[in-house]
Amino acid sequence: AQSVTQLGSHVSVSEGALVLLRCNYSSSVPPYLFWYVQYPNQGLQLLLKYTSAATLVKGINGFEAEFKKSETSFHLTKPSAHMSDAAEYFCAVSEQGGTSYGKLTFGQGTILTVHP
Amino acid sequence: KAGVTQTPRYLIKTRGQQVTLSCSPISGHRSVSWYQQTPGQGLQFLFEYFSETQRNKGNFPGRFSGRQFSNSRSEMNVSTLELGDSALYLCASTPDAGELFFGEGSRLTVL
Repeated sequence: AQSVTQLGSHVSVSEGALVLLRCNYSSSVPPYLFWYVQYPNQGLQLLLKYTSAATLVKGINGFEAEFKKSETSFHLTKPSAHMSDAAEYFCAVSEQGGTSYGKLTFGQGTILTVHP
Repeated sequence: KAGVTQTPRYLIKTRGQQVTLSCSPISGHRSVSWYQQTPGQGLQFLFEYFSETQRNKGNFPGRFSGRQFSNSRSEMNVSTLELGDSALYLCASTPDAGELFFGEGSRLTVL
């Protein structure tokens, strides 16, 4: 069984400050890991994904995440927050080598607020 | 390339009724998955279809069902609606192995 824990349901930062959203996972098999973003009244958009290549993954809009197996973590960072980054962010896990590519286990989400 | 299209976007039903939601995946994607999103339970996997076959199913009662057609379009049905079924239902498509591409969802309100 797999699970995802996102630490902090709400994170607030000032514009230009570092964004750090935390994600820890549990998986009995090597995982694929994802970060998605959701804006109000919209679906989810993929920010980045880890699929067992480089442990530091760069995504869209300046976001990146580092896979740390020893810490079972996949934290999302962005050096400088922009007002347009305000949204809800979801970390998700799936099984490597599995046959069900459409089945993800999501964390509870972190709402990011950016203050001017 | 057109994205994942879900219809209807919004609908209101009453308890006991049934509802059918539709999803058209990105052209060439053969896998379609459905998720339920609620404030309390978050995003939960409902089921996945691949080449008209259900490949995986989440932990939902039998009132929730789905199917996929030969053109990869998918529908999900919820029968005997309950208040707790009020949610955003998200459809996602994927190539044979890869990331999920989500639609904007169908927001169901059960009164």
